[in-house]
Amino acid sequence: GAVVSQHPSWVICKSGTSVKIECRSLDFQATTMFWYRQFPKQSLMLMATSNEGSKATYEQGVEKDKFLINHASLTLSTLTVTSAHPEDSSFYICSASPGTTFETQYFGPGTRLLVL
Amino acid sequence: EDQVTQSPEALRLQEGESSSLNCSYTVSGLRGLFWYRQDPGKGPEFLFTLYSAGEEKEKERLKATLTKKESFLHITAPKPEDSATYLCAVRGQNYIPTFGRGTSLIVHP
Repeated sequence: GAVVSQHPSWVICKSGTSVKIECRSLDFQATTMFWYRQFPKQSLMLMATSNEGSKATYEQGVEKDKFLINHASLTLSTLTVTSAHPEDSSFYICSASPGTTFETQYFGPGTRLLVL
Repeated sequence: EDQVTQSPEALRLQEGESSSLNCSYTVSGLRGLFWYRQDPGKGPEFLFTLYSAGEEKEKERLKATLTKKESFLHITAPKPEDSATYLCAVRGQNYIPTFGRGTSLIVHP
């Protein structure tokens, strides 16, 4: 089946630093990648949708200057949390789709970010 | 605004004790209702997509059904390995997915 990886799986950083999270589709080309955030015991919240070679589309309330998304190739998307603060601590999950629709997305294992 | 409410928040079952999880939703122009399984510290794993009222889908011990207001995930004779959080999500005419908070299922041997 389709496999999506994320790296790192865990990251702890100091407040004010930037953190980059990678999302890779290992055995298929991902036309579209989605980035989600999940707080403990809360729903998964879609942050942004990215299509290869174009700018990401951010959901309402998500700061595009704080959460930089790059989808430079059909197998790699990155999320950079700039100047991270403790309130950015969360579980970040990416998903990838071989098409352009939500229906066929495959989720990565997630990255847990803790900002001290 | 699309909304998804899942109940119960947590469910404990004995192995073999069948039950159902509920997903109530309000959405403008349903474009799909999705069920996922999520293990602790992992990303969601896709289970089912339902598109119209009356539709049903099955996979092993799981069966998902859909009405105009809610969806049920029926678990028949569950096993301990079915323990996980089950997420429901809807996608409406704005194509933005809205997820519920999930039902945490524990199946005791």
